[in-house]
Order: sequence, then structure tokens, then C-alpha cells
Amino acid sequence: SQQGEEDPQALSIQEGENATMNCSYKTSINNLQWYRQNSGRGLVHLILIRSNEREKHSGRLRVTLDTSKKSSSLLITASRAADTASYFCATDPNDYKLSFGAGTTVTVRA
Amino acid sequence: DTAVSQTPKYLVTQMGNDKSIKCEQNLGHDTMYWYKQDSKKFLKIMFSYNNKELIINETVPNRFSPKSPDKAHLNLHINSLELGDSAVYFCASSQASTGAAVAFFGQGTRLTVV
Repeated sequence: SQQGEEDPQALSIQEGENATMNCSYKTSINNLQWYRQNSGRGLVHLILIRSNEREKHSGRLRVTLDTSKKSSSLLITASRAADTASYFCATDPNDYKLSFGAGTTVTVRA
Repeated sequence: DTAVSQTPKYLVTQMGNDKSIKCEQNLGHDTMYWYKQDSKKFLKIMFSYNNKELIINETVPNRFSPKSPDKAHLNLHINSLELGDSAVYFCASSQASTGAAVAFFGQGTRLTVV
């Protein structure tokens, strides 16, 4: 069954605006990760947040994690055209499995 | 140098045929995966191998048979292809033993069954 579910399914923003997407999951986790997928390419890891962390930053990315609500959010600040991609959260119900959702497709308009 | 490489990138074949997709990683990782991404972009794990041993088989039909000759390679053979097998298949690897396994993905193989 699907572990992570991203919301919204699609997001269209103007260059320079912030983009926020959310992820909800069902079971307990060790870590939660966010990945980006450009059209026609494989997924690329962006950031990992451990279950005992509440917030993490990496460049223009900010991730939050609320284990009590089983949810995470990814904020991309000052978006650029190059940020146009699909974004996926991934959870690890065990060491040998990363479960993904269907992703949020972000379009940044120039 | 490509970290995770899979071939071919595109595969068009007729129903009933048998085909293989190859995957190799040069990252020294112990764990390799096959994922299937459908037309709605939902990414579903199919198999997970650790040090050549099958760890996870997510109720994939028997027509799909992964093979890991060594921990750097994980190939996927598909028998009797069906229309519903059309999808993008991704190979990935990670060092699962770290407890925070970041996955590295190949560029995908777009399989079209006609």
C-alpha cells in the first residue's frame, strides 16, 4: 500500500514565489526524505530529516516533520524556472524499502 | 561517471515477448532496488536486494524475475509481456546499513508494450 501521499498533486507559481507541498504517511518511520524528478529523468535526493528532528534547511529548501501528525512539508523559497519538477517524499518502513507517493508536480512560470 | 546506469533507456516490444533491463551501480552500495512508475507518476517498489539476496518482493507477478549476479548488478527479466507492463522502470541503489539510506536512481527505462 502507498506509504507517502503528497499534496497538492500540482502547483503552479510565479518565479520568485515560494512553493509549499505536504506529505502524509501512515506508519512509524526512521527518516523521511524528499526527492526531485525532472521530466524524463530519475529521482534525485534533496534532503533527509530524521524522526527526532523537527526542521531542516538546505539552501533554499526547508523541511519540517511532525511525527505526531505523520506529516512533513517541503518549502522551496524564491523559486526559479529550474525548480520545475515533480517532488516526492519517501519514508522507510524498514531498512530495505523506501516508499514513495505520486508526487507534487511544480511548475514555475517565468 | 554515472553512479547508477540502466539499459536500455527505451524499450518497445510486442505483447508476449520476453525482455531484460540491466542495471549497474559503481557506488559500492549493498542494496539495490527496482521501482515501477506508472503514468500517474506513482512510484512503487518491486524488489529490493541486499548483497545479492532478495529482501523484498512486493507481490510482483512471477513473470518478473530479478537477478543479482553480484552486489553491483541487478537485472530485471520480464516474461510474456502484457500491455499493463508499460511503465517506466527505475533501478536504484543505497547503503541501507547506515540506517539512513539515501537512494541513487538510474535514468529509467521506458517500456512500451504494443
